Amino acid sequence: KAGVTQTPRYLIKTRGQQVTLSCSPISGHRSVSWYQQTPGQGLQFLFEYFSETQRNKGNFPGRFSGRQFSNSRSEMNVSTLELGDSALYLCASSLESPRGGRETQYFGPGTRLLVL
Amino acid sequence: AQTVTQSQPEMSVQEAETVTLSCTYDTSESNYYLFWYKQPPSRQMILVIRQEAYKQQNATENRFSVNFQKAAKSFSLKISDSQLGDTAMYFCAFRMTNSGYALNFGKGTSLLVTP
Repeated sequence: KAGVTQTPRYLIKTRGQQVTLSCSPISGHRSVSWYQQTPGQGLQFLFEYFSETQRNKGNFPGRFSGRQFSNSRSEMNVSTLELGDSALYLCASSLESPRGGRETQYFGPGTRLLVL
Repeated sequence: AQTVTQSQPEMSVQEAETVTLSCTYDTSESNYYLFWYKQPPSRQMILVIRQEAYKQQNATENRFSVNFQKAAKSFSLKISDSQLGDTAMYFCAFRMTNSGYALNFGKGTSLLVTP
């Protein structure tokens, strides 16, 4: 079974631009979570989607948004990029469970975003 | 809000030796999950071990085991017979049981295994 895939793997943008990152979960997984990893702040939860609905949201500004499609693939968008948005963005997927549960999350390889 | 604290930013251990990584957390919840994730230089996050708070028995996965002290809110990871491939960042993480899959991570411990 293929793992979680994220595209693109590397991205360079300039301040003020916007960016869209994609995550394809493991087949059959309906929960997708996004995390931002930076040297200063560590790993921070962005948001989680389950069955096309945002179930949880972390403490990030509205410039960060996401969505999930009917095939469970997810995208996250960052508008008006700032230098501080440079980070590794990780996606994780889990088997379906309406309220969360015992299932393990599997992480993708991440997208490394550099904002100049 | 739940917080996870890893007090050891860096650790080093010789091959074949045993090392323990510390983690404490703060929560008012009684049911939750705790995890240790490993992130090698490739940046791929890999689950090492998990513990369910309602289980008193400490989890074990081959060379990896935990010491879960619920009252003390402590969750340490013991790596036995350390191998060079264990060199990585190790993250302790917390997740509530019935509100999705959002993980709260600690800052991580960088473990170096030397020959």
